Amino acid sequence: GQQLNQSPQSMFIQEGEDVSMNCTSSSIFNTWLWYKQDPGEGPVLLIALYKAGELTSNGRLTAQFGITRKDSFLNISASIPSDVGIYFCAEILHGSGNTGKLIFGQGTTLQVKP
Amino acid sequence: DTGVSQDPRHKITKRGQNVTFRCDPISEHNRLYWYRQTLGQGPEFLTYFQNEAQLEKSRLLSDRFSAERPKGSFSTLEIQRTEQGDSAMYLCASSFKRANTGELFFGEGSRLTVL
Repeated sequence: GQQLNQSPQSMFIQEGEDVSMNCTSSSIFNTWLWYKQDPGEGPVLLIALYKAGELTSNGRLTAQFGITRKDSFLNISASIPSDVGIYFCAEILHGSGNTGKLIFGQGTTLQVKP
Repeated sequence: DTGVSQDPRHKITKRGQNVTFRCDPISEHNRLYWYRQTLGQGPEFLTYFQNEAQLEKSRLLSDRFSAERPKGSFSTLEIQRTEQGDSAMYLCASSFKRANTGELFFGEGSRLTVL
């Protein structure tokens, strides 16, 4: 079936450091999505990518849609304590018609030491 | 607050009991989803409604699970004869069909613990 593999599984960094995480898939996708989940909350969309090779920024966050359409990375620059949380890549499922349902990776847990 | 709201936020129950969760989506959203999330995993799709019609159910949704969205507004997810393996966070999300951008608006979730 369609699966998304995220790495690393977890990161523990110092405030101010840059962070990079990625997501790979065995299938080709037309969309890459990055969500963040704060403790005790539901996931929130950070960045959406709709075109192979696309590079998109949202403040200190930058994400790229891989040329092969099978991978994506998310970078966070100059991390701050509120960046703590779980970051998920997600895709709109193939064969789902137009339901808009998503599959999610396993997540990358980020902890930031002040 | 005009976001997705879920109730209750936490539920502890004994094995074999029935539980029901409620979700109130963003009012203009016609799509509603239920997901389940276990520790260390991403959310897994359970079921999808467009307006009041339940259009898709995952194989994860055993016959002990039932979901409704009677008037195309709020939704309920009921689990009958709960098992310890049902312990998880149950997330509700909504979206507007025409957008189809991949953006789902999630509620804060209902955490179920089955003893």
